[in-house]
Amino acid sequence: DTGVSQNPRHKITKRGQNVTFRCDPISEHNRLYWYRQTLGQGPEFLTYFQNEAQLEKSRLLSDRFSAERPKGSFSTLEIQRTEQGDSAMYLCASSLEAVWSKAQPQHFGDGTRLSIL
Amino acid sequence: GENVEQHPSTLSVQEGDSAVIKCTYSDSASNYFPWYKQELGKGPQLIIDIRSNVGEKKDQRIAVTLNKTAKHFSLHITETQPEDSAVYFCATHTGNQFYFGTGTSLTVIP
Repeated sequence: DTGVSQNPRHKITKRGQNVTFRCDPISEHNRLYWYRQTLGQGPEFLTYFQNEAQLEKSRLLSDRFSAERPKGSFSTLEIQRTEQGDSAMYLCASSLEAVWSKAQPQHFGDGTRLSIL
Repeated sequence: GENVEQHPSTLSVQEGDSAVIKCTYSDSASNYFPWYKQELGKGPQLIIDIRSNVGEKKDQRIAVTLNKTAKHFSLHITETQPEDSAVYFCATHTGNQFYFGTGTSLTVIP
């Protein structure tokens, strides 16, 4: 178990640029979640995948945000035309699929900290 | 949607004392309640969880209690140590989503 891996750990970019983050989940986990965390707040749900299917998206996920999980393994989160308000920690988590509607424990990566200049 | 409230936002205790963090939630369909510890520069780490059919769960110095009727659950840390200093988050699960509290910054004073 190598844990959830996120890259890069830090990203600094100018307003208006596009950025892409990568998440490698725990290998046997078929659920993958993206969250955004700002200072002094808990993680806020953005979207989740079961295998390669994106099953749910938050209203927080504007049309500038897109996420993919093309082969049901790693996932990418892209933000187009970045704005100052996008500065945050972007966290990825993975879990096994819910069993009989029982949620399975989520395991988080260490996040990508995005700073918009 | 679910609304999770967490108190207190900051907590300082002397080493060896106990710490208690409380959360309330609004959605009676919530059925899974994990607690996470987050250290500076790291992602949240799952430390204990409880399901809705259980009232209490303990793992060494950490325990969680759940009152489904009152819709609140609590984290109890006994014999606190300096390495327990971190931000703690409660969470609930309902409708395929997890909802997090706003965190409690715990400082254990040696």
